[in-house]
Amino acid sequence: AQSVAQPEDQVNVAEGNPLTVKCTYSVSGNPYLFWYVQYPNRGLQFLLKYITGDNLVKGSYGFEAEFNKSQTSFHLKKPSALVSDSALYFCAVRDKTGFQKLVFGTGTRLLVSP
Amino acid sequence: ETGVTQTPRHLVMGMTNKKSLKCEQHLGHNAMYWYKQSAKKPLELMFVYSLEERVENNSVPSRFSPECPNSSHLFLHLHTLQPEDSALYLCASSQDARGQGREKLFFGSGTQLSVL
Repeated sequence: AQSVAQPEDQVNVAEGNPLTVKCTYSVSGNPYLFWYVQYPNRGLQFLLKYITGDNLVKGSYGFEAEFNKSQTSFHLKKPSALVSDSALYFCAVRDKTGFQKLVFGTGTRLLVSP
Repeated sequence: ETGVTQTPRHLVMGMTNKKSLKCEQHLGHNAMYWYKQSAKKPLELMFVYSLEERVENNSVPSRFSPECPNSSHLFLHLHTLQPEDSALYLCASSQDARGQGREKLFFGSGTQLSVL
């Protein structure tokens, strides 16, 4: 079965510094990978996806993610963090069996301090 | 706003109560979903409806009963719940249930359910 792992429950970063939220995946074949963000008291919002092509994917709000096949990773990055980026971030992969639903990770809380 | 509205925002119920969660989407989408979000657990897909037909049911206990009367509305009927059912229940919609149209999900803000 396809799965993703988010090894960090929380990431702390100072405003203006670069941020990385980690995600590793386990799939058979080529993965379809996604990042979603959940702001307080809100549902999840789509940030970006990787299907094929360029390993660096650009998404909403200045975020980008780097697909690394050899390390089976899809880390989310931003060059300069904002306090408003503080939220819960979910990595997801498309399951290739049955309905092929999105399989989400456990989420990583990002806390950006002023 | 995402175009997906859930009511109520908060719900407290006893184990013998019957209640319903409501979801409405204004995006013209054809697929709707119920997810369960518990702390430090992966988001759990419960049900999927495509054009009002249920296409996925992930072994959810029968005390959760979904209903999709049309492509804009989705309900989750609850009865005789257990305390471990306390969680945030999220509704989502997508353009389609299959193909690339399903990958961009639009979520509501959720119903925070507490079962006493």
